[in-house]
Amino acid sequence: GAGVSQSPSNKVTEKGKDVELRCDPISGHTALYWYRQSLGQGLEFLIYFQGNSAPDKSGLPSDRFSAERTGGSVSTLTIQRTQQEDSAVYLCASRHAGTFTGELFFGEGSRLTVL
Amino acid sequence: DAKTTQPNSMESNEEEPVHLPCNHSTISGTDYIHWYRQLPSQGPEYVIHGLTSNVNNRMASLAIAEDRKSSTLILHRATLRDAAVYYCISRPSSGGGADGLTFGKGTHLIIQP
Repeated sequence: GAGVSQSPSNKVTEKGKDVELRCDPISGHTALYWYRQSLGQGLEFLIYFQGNSAPDKSGLPSDRFSAERTGGSVSTLTIQRTQQEDSAVYLCASRHAGTFTGELFFGEGSRLTVL
Repeated sequence: DAKTTQPNSMESNEEEPVHLPCNHSTISGTDYIHWYRQLPSQGPEYVIHGLTSNVNNRMASLAIAEDRKSSTLILHRATLRDAAVYYCISRPSSGGGADGLTFGKGTHLIIQP
């Protein structure tokens, strides 16, 4: 498809397990963002990738969270030893970095529930 | 990013115009104003952005105050499908850091049939 694709759309896991969330951005978009949205809240910035530059990890809430982007395309967000407070919708967005004011294109998110 | 302030919720009737306000009193001269909206169970989608002049596109209009300390998103004829959370964000045009958008809680727009 032409949009940002995220998988899985829903993930239920037990406390203490590791989870991986995947984001496939729009082809040609070099900028990729991860956000987290807890129920009834706004979007919380997690991490940003831009081309081959070192990612901006300033939004990651703890060292249990990590993300990588392979080949400048697909990104994986990993949460280790999940906690109940990690339950949220994790949103990925990409942007054509040629225009700074360019719009972000979001995926539909991965809903994570930690029991 | 300059902080923005929006009402928590607004209600309007179908087929009537809707004016969604946003205050950004600490905005700097090079900060753009962006609006996104989030439909239920979806990711946010871009609506419109501007710097100084009023802007129009197929989705909405953006009216920016002369002092740029506030702006208004205008939906000319609301439909039930416009029910969503609308986010107003201001961000600098120059890079630095993540250059991502900081989303607050936005305005929950309710459309009555």
